[in-house]
Amino acid sequence: QVQLVQSGAELKKPGASVKVSCKASGYTFTGYYMHWVRQAPGQGLEWMGWINPNSGGTNYAQKFQGRVAMTRDTSISTAYMELSRLTSDDTAVYYCARKPSTISDVWGQGTTVTVSS
Amino acid sequence: DVVMTQTPLSSPVTLGQPASISCRSSESLVHSDGNTYLSWFQQRPGQPPRLLIYKISNRFSGVPDRFSGSGAGTDFTLKISRVEVEDVGVYYCMQATQFPYTFGQGTKLEIK
Repeated sequence: QVQLVQSGAELKKPGASVKVSCKASGYTFTGYYMHWVRQAPGQGLEWMGWINPNSGGTNYAQKFQGRVAMTRDTSISTAYMELSRLTSDDTAVYYCARKPSTISDVWGQGTTVTVSS
Repeated sequence: DVVMTQTPLSSPVTLGQPASISCRSSESLVHSDGNTYLSWFQQRPGQPPRLLIYKISNRFSGVPDRFSGSGAGTDFTLKISRVEVEDVGVYYCMQATQFPYTFGQGTKLEIK
């Protein structure tokens, strides 16, 4: 079945970077854009951007420009989201989602990133 | 950015009774391709969001028909005809017409 499996929880210090992975299975990885959405503790959902796994093209929310990089490795059907210069405000659950809000919608289980000194 | 405003933020409902959540956008969500990319998600504690409705009124695969969506332009509504225990959670509207995609603040549905 179609599935997105994300990497495990991360604990990072302020100023560090984190790289979260999202492994796809059950479908043609290059056929669907992959989005990233985050959710701070007790807060709502925030869209970060997407990557086209076929071309590698990306589109980031202005808020994260210069600090986020979405990449992919088509040989292992895996998308990555790297966020740099972390602060406590980046503490959140990070989700990958295949073409959310469409008929192709599938979400990963989420990866908790905690930023603390 | 398009601001999505949901009301109410909390909705206590009696089992078997209807529930309604409103979502208003700061700009029209009609895309240049003629579609309106307004969706509704349900999120249970500790779970990722689950798509319920896409393009205003289309139920996603496996979603019970007690869930329905309506609206146009800037005003949208999610209705649950008869609330069941499993419907408890937080509901979000989301627009995917303009970048960046944006979500409403969420509406917490709870049983009275």
